[in-house]
Amino acid sequence: GAGVSQSPSNKVTEKGKDVELRCDPISGHTALYWYRQSLGQGLEFLIYFQGNSAPDKSGLPSDRFSAERTGGSVSTLTIQRTQQEDSAVYLCASSGSPDNTGELFFGEGSRLTVL
Amino acid sequence: TQLLEQSPQFLSIQEGENLTVYCNSSSVFSSLQWYRQEPGEGPVLLVTVVTGGEVKKLKRLTFQFGDARKDSSLHITAAQPGDTGLYLCAALKGTSYGKLTFGQGTILTVHP
Repeated sequence: GAGVSQSPSNKVTEKGKDVELRCDPISGHTALYWYRQSLGQGLEFLIYFQGNSAPDKSGLPSDRFSAERTGGSVSTLTIQRTQQEDSAVYLCASSGSPDNTGELFFGEGSRLTVL
Repeated sequence: TQLLEQSPQFLSIQEGENLTVYCNSSSVFSSLQWYRQEPGEGPVLLVTVVTGGEVKKLKRLTFQFGDARKDSSLHITAAQPGDTGLYLCAALKGTSYGKLTFGQGTILTVHP
């Protein structure tokens, strides 16, 4: 497709399980971002990739969260030992510009529910 | 404490009414963006304002960036049911890449 693709769209898991969320950015976009949207909290920045490198991981809430990007394309956000407070919509965005002048294109998000 | 304070949080109006959403901060930003998000979808960029005092128009939507680049407003004239959605302001501060700080959003409902 032409847009940012995320999977799964919905994930329900039990507390303590690990989950993987996938993002397929727009072809050719070198910059990739993960954001988290919790009810009543707006969007919060998690991590920024430029190519396969992550120069800014400052938004990852704990060491249970990690992300990688391979081939300058697909990115995976992994949450280990999930907690109920991890429940949120995880949004991925990509941009064709490495700097802050390019538009961010968001995917539809992955809704994570931790029981 | 939110870096970006957005108000009101909820807005329910009748078709044809005008409305204004505010985005305020004590910080100075290099630029500020407004997004619209519909249920089950990601935010979509409406506009970016860069210069203090800048005014941009997008059909019935008017966006303004404060002179000191600390605040912004979104004004909708003659709202339509299709304007219903979550409106988010977001700011770039101090980075050379697209790391955005978002306000909490305004949920707008326009009734026919």
